[in-house]
Amino acid sequence: GAVVSQHPSRVICKSGTSVKIECRSLDFQATTMFWYRQFPKQSLMLMATSNEGSKATYEQGVEKDKFLINHASLTLSTLTVTSAHPEDSSFYICSARGKTGRNTEAFFGQGTRLTVV
Amino acid sequence: GNSVTQMEGPVTLSEEAFLTINCTYTATGYPSLFWYVQYPGEGLQLLLKATKADDKGSNKGFEATYRKETTSFHLEKGSVQVSDSAVYFCALKGSDSNYQLIWGAGTKLIIKP
Repeated sequence: GAVVSQHPSRVICKSGTSVKIECRSLDFQATTMFWYRQFPKQSLMLMATSNEGSKATYEQGVEKDKFLINHASLTLSTLTVTSAHPEDSSFYICSARGKTGRNTEAFFGQGTRLTVV
Repeated sequence: GNSVTQMEGPVTLSEEAFLTINCTYTATGYPSLFWYVQYPGEGLQLLLKATKADDKGSNKGFEATYRKETTSFHLEKGSVQVSDSAVYFCALKGSDSNYQLIWGAGTKLIIKP
């Protein structure tokens, strides 16, 4: 299957700082990227959907000014957690989908474990 | 709205045991159903899927049958191995969805030698 690379895999940051997570599709052009968040022992929650070249669509309850998503090219999307706080500590996963179509599979990155201290 | 419920883990089995991880769903219309697996330290991988009622998805010895009458998509494997230890997620995509998945909480599977 296609490869999606997410970086970094783990990051520890101080409260009040910002952290950027990158998601790259290595062998296909990702027209749509999804960002998920996973709390311990809970399911994945979709945070936002981004299409290349347009603003991300955020799910209800997700602060767009806190979780900045940029999908500047067909192979790269970034999630920036601004002014991070301990409650932002979580596991973040991106997924990328190629050409449009309801049955086109989305491929997942490895995930990023964020710890805010 | 659409939702997925899967059995709570962890599930601990001995090698070569029979595995069942239950997954039930609520959805309008005709959703597609998926099982994803997350091995330690890795991202999610699609394990198998079924797109219509009575379809059976299978991969790596795992099987799941889309049962509309019981709204279930239980994951089964006849003989598990230590290498199957992972977290398994059941998910659905609504028939009106732009590939936005609704996820179960995940079930951690531990296989002991």
